[in-house]
Amino acid sequence: DIQMTQSPSTLSASVGDRVTITCRASESVRIWLAWYQQQPGKAPKLLISKASSLEGGVPSRFSGSGSGTGFTLTISSLQPDDSATYYCQQFNSYPYTFGPGTNLEIK
Amino acid sequence: EVQLVQSGGGLVQPGGSLRLSCAVSGFTFREYYMDWVRQAPGKGLEWVGRSRNEANSYLTEYAASVKGRFRISRDDSQSSLFLQMNSLKTEDTAVYYCVRLGVDRENYWRGFDFWGQGTMVTVSS
Repeated sequence: DIQMTQSPSTLSASVGDRVTITCRASESVRIWLAWYQQQPGKAPKLLISKASSLEGGVPSRFSGSGSGTGFTLTISSLQPDDSATYYCQQFNSYPYTFGPGTNLEIK
Repeated sequence: EVQLVQSGGGLVQPGGSLRLSCAVSGFTFREYYMDWVRQAPGKGLEWVGRSRNEANSYLTEYAASVKGRFRISRDDSQSSLFLQMNSLKTEDTAVYYCVRLGVDRENYWRGFDFWGQGTMVTVSS
């Protein structure tokens, strides 16, 4: 199985900050990586698909990059509503695996 | 508007069975792969399994943790997805989500673009 890791596991930042979350795969997943945002008590929401494609309706302050085994999710200017847990997920091969999540807190 | 409405969760004893349902609307169900994802209390997301679409013979895939105990099926005529869970264990306790695997204009997978509201399954004596 492909193992996904994320760093940091928790992150505290202020409104307006630029934040970056890193996701690493134990083997290449090419571009088949997605990022999700999950707010407390809600279902996850797809933010980024195919490593860098912004989903419709997602604010442009979110961006994704990377390929192979290393990926990043960047929020260019943090907003209060961005407080959530962020997960990466590979869909290159079964079983599809998620990263452990990054809990983003707004100071 | 795309909607995935789940039902069927609840409390069940270890070794018992439960069937989850997911009724969808707002898109052509038979064209899409549909998956189940779960989340144990306070934990991360775990992919459970997949039902491919009609064009791919409805073939299924499962995570090792549920293979042989869970079965995914679908009824395209009712636009519904099902998860039959047998021989349940305490570690199956989780919120279960049905999800749609999105496809872009070039027919590449996008990830899970629509999620049900989630249904809680508690396995406890």
